[in-house]
Amino acid sequence: GEDVEQSLFLSVREGDSSVINCTYTDSSSTYLYWYKQEPGAGLQLLTYIFSNMDMKQDQRLTVLLNKKDKHLSLRIADTQTGDSAIYFCAEGHTGRRALTFGSGTRLQVQP
Amino acid sequence: EAGVAQSPRYKIIEKRQSVAFWCNPISGHATLYWYQQILGQGPKLLIQFQNNGVVDDSQLPKDRFSAERLKGVDSTLKIQPAKLEDSAVYLCASSLDQGALQTQYFGPGTRLLVL
Repeated sequence: GEDVEQSLFLSVREGDSSVINCTYTDSSSTYLYWYKQEPGAGLQLLTYIFSNMDMKQDQRLTVLLNKKDKHLSLRIADTQTGDSAIYFCAEGHTGRRALTFGSGTRLQVQP
Repeated sequence: EAGVAQSPRYKIIEKRQSVAFWCNPISGHATLYWYQQILGQGPKLLIQFQNNGVVDDSQLPKDRFSAERLKGVDSTLKIQPAKLEDSAVYLCASSLDQGALQTQYFGPGTRLLVL
């Protein structure tokens, strides 16, 4: 079955770069997503990447995809205290509309 | 544009009681999802609707959970009777259609505690 794995916790200092990693098992994944969840809130879509891409950049966010190793990463440049949240990696494909989420990585940004 | 609305935001019940959650998706969104998010885990799909029809309910514990979307807009999710392990956040999400790019927009969730 499908499985998405993430590390549980990451702590960085304000102004540094954060890199959150994710691995997945479904080789037929078509789309890979990063969602952000702040305390008491729902999930907010940050960015996504198609499986035929290697990299996508969107302002401070850079997504890297290594399809051979089934490894996805999210880099946040110039991390701010407002970036403190839980970040979820998710995968999906056209044959199955529901997304499979990882357990989330809690990012703590220290001033 | 208004987002996905859910109510109530919090609910505390005793085991074996019943509870219902409500979701109002973004206007015009044909696809509606209910997810269960247990503490420390990612959301897991319970049921997916396309308009008023069920697309996927394979992970829904049908002996105690039920959901409906009668007019293809609002949806309710019910648990009867509740168990301790049902304590979780129940997230509703919607997307415009079933197209290849699934941008799902999530509501704030209903946090359920079963005592």
